[in-house]
Amino acid sequence: EDKVVQSPLSLVVHEGDTVTLNCSYEVTNFRSLLWYKQEKKAPTFLFMLTSSGIEKKSGRLSSILDKKELFSILNITATQTGDSAVYLCAVVYGGSQGNLIFGKGTKLSVKP
Amino acid sequence: DSGVTQTPKHLITATGQRVTLRCSPRSGDLSVYWYQQSLDQGLQFLIQYYNGEERAKGNILERFSAQQFPDLHSELNLSSLELGDSALYFCASSAGFGYGYTFGSGTRLTVV
Repeated sequence: EDKVVQSPLSLVVHEGDTVTLNCSYEVTNFRSLLWYKQEKKAPTFLFMLTSSGIEKKSGRLSSILDKKELFSILNITATQTGDSAVYLCAVVYGGSQGNLIFGKGTKLSVKP
Repeated sequence: DSGVTQTPKHLITATGQRVTLRCSPRSGDLSVYWYQQSLDQGLQFLIQYYNGEERAKGNILERFSAQQFPDLHSELNLSSLELGDSALYFCASSAGFGYGYTFGSGTRLTVV
């Protein structure tokens, strides 16, 4: 069965801390891995990763993919209260247009 | 504004009723995906359409159906509604494999 597993499910940190969120996957015909941030409403796109070992970076957020070990991590440095959200990992896999399967998410709470 | 439009934003209806949720994808995107998000289930993939054709099916109940029209907007029909169908329903669109997926702001369905 195709699946995406995120850990931890929930995380509470203080402002300024660095966090690492994990995403592992088992799918047939992997295409790409996506990270999203979801606050109150719709998930907003953070990164798309297709190649192993190449870090994607945006400000304090960065992510890397390991296609051999079938996982990705999302790092957030110098966390701020505005980083509080659910972070979703999704994998595109399968046929010509690809299917998209999500993990259950990691709920990050950043305390002042 | 993500470019993906979902209507209505909120919907309250009684058990046994039927509702239609509508999604207009971003201009130029041919793929539309429907997801259900309930409190403890994360984002569950329901169905995907590409240029008017059904391409993939996920955990979609037989009481639910969808279609994508020639102008590429999509409708998700939910019938014989049950209390457990209460959830956020998201639509996402994509230009195709290799491109990101953009989410609409969702329709919150409450079945009473």
